[in-house]
Amino acid sequence: KQEVTQIPAALSVPEGENLVLNCSFTDSAIYNLQWFRQDPGKGLTSLLLIQSSQREQTSGRLNASLDKSSGRSTLYIAASQPGDSATYLCAVESNQFYFGTGTSLTVIP
Amino acid sequence: DAGVTQSPTHLIKTRGQQVTLRCSPKSGHDTVSWYQQALGQGPQFIFQYYEEEERQRGNFPDRFSGHQFPNYSSELNVNALLLGDSALYLCASSKDWAQETQYFGPGTRLLVL
Repeated sequence: KQEVTQIPAALSVPEGENLVLNCSFTDSAIYNLQWFRQDPGKGLTSLLLIQSSQREQTSGRLNASLDKSSGRSTLYIAASQPGDSATYLCAVESNQFYFGTGTSLTVIP
Repeated sequence: DAGVTQSPTHLIKTRGQQVTLRCSPKSGHDTVSWYQQALGQGPQFIFQYYEEEERQRGNFPDRFSGHQFPNYSSELNVNALLLGDSALYLCASSKDWAQETQYFGPGTRLLVL
């Protein structure tokens, strides 16, 4: 069974700092990996989707990488802003979708 | 273009009751997945519907059932509610199976008393 782990569980940084969120998964046979953002009590917003054949994807200040062989993905956020405060979830798709428990990010003005 | 919509937004039920949650996918999407998200946890996959059939199912009991209609909208039914069924229920839609971005609705918050 696929297991997805996200480290750290919580992170607090001052505004303007660059940061990295980590996601690891146990079974490398995946179709894709997706990073989401979730604001308190809300649904999920897709940030980046990396297909299994890809190594990274970029969108604005966000960059996500995928290393299937080692079962790892990172989400890099450049020049963090208070509006980036949210929970970030990664999900892998294999025979079904598996989510991590998320990293709660607080960006302090 | 309306995104994924879910109804109702909030619901309170008592143990033993039955509940039906509804989801309308994003325009052009034909695949609907349902998730349960307990407080402080990541979403857990319940099942996925494609072409009106259940295509994949997660580790949930038969009390959880669903349906997809010809217009691709979907319902999640939960029978014999337990206190532990209290959670945020999320619906996600996508186009085709695998390799596609999922778009999530705002969720239905279910409280079982």
